[in-house]
Amino acid sequence: TQLLEQSPQFLSIQEGENLTVYCNSSSVFSSLQWYRQEPGEGPVLLVTVVTGGEVKKLKRLTFQFGDARKDSSLHITAAQPGDTGLYLCAGAQEYGNKLVFGAGTILRVKS
Amino acid sequence: DAGVTQSPTHLIKTRGQQVTLRCSPKSGHDTVSWYQQALGQGPQFIFQYYEEEERQRGNFPDRFSGHQFPNYSSELNVNALLLGDSALYLCASSLGTGALTGELFFGEGSRLTVL
Repeated sequence: TQLLEQSPQFLSIQEGENLTVYCNSSSVFSSLQWYRQEPGEGPVLLVTVVTGGEVKKLKRLTFQFGDARKDSSLHITAAQPGDTGLYLCAGAQEYGNKLVFGAGTILRVKS
Repeated sequence: DAGVTQSPTHLIKTRGQQVTLRCSPKSGHDTVSWYQQALGQGPQFIFQYYEEEERQRGNFPDRFSGHQFPNYSSELNVNALLLGDSALYLCASSLGTGALTGELFFGEGSRLTVL
C-alpha cells in the first residue's frame, strides 16, 4: 500500500492547457516535496513546502500544501512540451531526510 | 561543482550473484541515502549513512548492506540477487541528517538488471 497516493497516474495534454496533479495521504508530513524526473536521470527537486496551507509558485508551477499537511497539489499553467516528465511527490514524516515517495504522475505535453 | 555521481550506470547480473554500487556525494555534503526505484514506481528508501554509520533503514532485507567512507562516498551491496532486485538504484546526498526540509540531491542512478 502506497503511503502517498498520486493522481492521475498518467496525463497527456496539448501544449497550452492547464493541469493539476494531486498527492494525498492519511498521514501527516513535516514537509512535502515535489520532484521531476526525466528518463535515465535522477529526480530533481522542484519545491519544498513545510507549513500547512502554504502556497509556492515557480514560474508556471503552483504548489500547495494542505492545511492538515496530509496532501498537496501541483498546478501547471499553459503547459509546454518541456514540462514532460515524471512528477513525484515525497513526504518527510520525521526528523531526518528519509522520504516517502508517491508512485508518480507521468505527464506528456504534446505540441 | 560536481553533483552526485554514481557508478556503474548499467549492469547485468544473474540470480544469486552479488553486486556493489558506488556513489560520490555532492561537494560539501556529508550524508548519503540510497533508494530503489522499480519500473513505474516511485523511489523507496533503503538506508541512510552519516558519519560512516547507518542512521536510518527502510523495509529492506539484510541482503542489502552499505558502507560510508571517510570521504563521505558510499557503497550499496546486495547479496544473493533475486529477479525482483532489478531496478534503478538512486543515491541522494544531503548536508546533515536532521534537515527539516529533507532536501536531497540525486544522482542519475545505477540500472541493475537481474537475469
